Amino acid sequence: GENVEQHPSTLSVQEGDSAVIKCTYSDSASNYFPWYKQELGKRPQLIIDIRSNVGEKKDQRIAVTLNKTAKHFSLHITETQPEDSAVYFCAAQSGGSYIPTFGRGTSLIVHP
Amino acid sequence: NAGVMQNPRHLVRRRGQEARLRCSPMKGHSHVYWYRQLPEEGLKFMVYLQKENIIDESGMPKERFSAEFPKEGPSILRIQQVVRGDSAAYFCASSPGTENEKLFFGSGTQLSVL
Repeated sequence: GENVEQHPSTLSVQEGDSAVIKCTYSDSASNYFPWYKQELGKRPQLIIDIRSNVGEKKDQRIAVTLNKTAKHFSLHITETQPEDSAVYFCAAQSGGSYIPTFGRGTSLIVHP
Repeated sequence: NAGVMQNPRHLVRRRGQEARLRCSPMKGHSHVYWYRQLPEEGLKFMVYLQKENIIDESGMPKERFSAEFPKEGPSILRIQQVVRGDSAAYFCASSPGTENEKLFFGSGTQLSVL
């Protein structure tokens, strides 16, 4: 089955800095890669996703890149703000599968 | 649209008791997923169900755990004879059932076993 590795487990930045979270996957058939944000004590919520037919997607301060050859994808947050502090999960899902496999999460701390 | 509803939010059980966790998917969603979350361990897939069918239960422990999604009513995750190691946050998610679609999560049930 699919295996998703996520790094780092903890990331501490100063407000205004950029943050990058990286994930690798094992199943070359995976073609859908969502990212979820979970604030403390709350539910995970999708913030951005990318499909395998594109290499990059942006939404305001958030961007995701995908390298299918290397089987890795990354989340980039620019101009971080304290409200970006949360746990971020990457996931990978194969074509024909309805079940995403999640990484272990990255705890992002943005210091004011 | 009320979103995915889980109850209870917090559930305390003594060792050996049964725990029942409920999940009502978003309106129009026919697919339900259950995940378990432990601190520092991310979201572990347990089971994936459609109405009246268990599609994939590869993440469910073989004993004491069961899940259902009846034709009427919420999905139920049932844990019999709970042990302290069952203490965790249990999240339910739903999707409309098309391929490669995002999941909508409920607020979770925090199970504490004394």
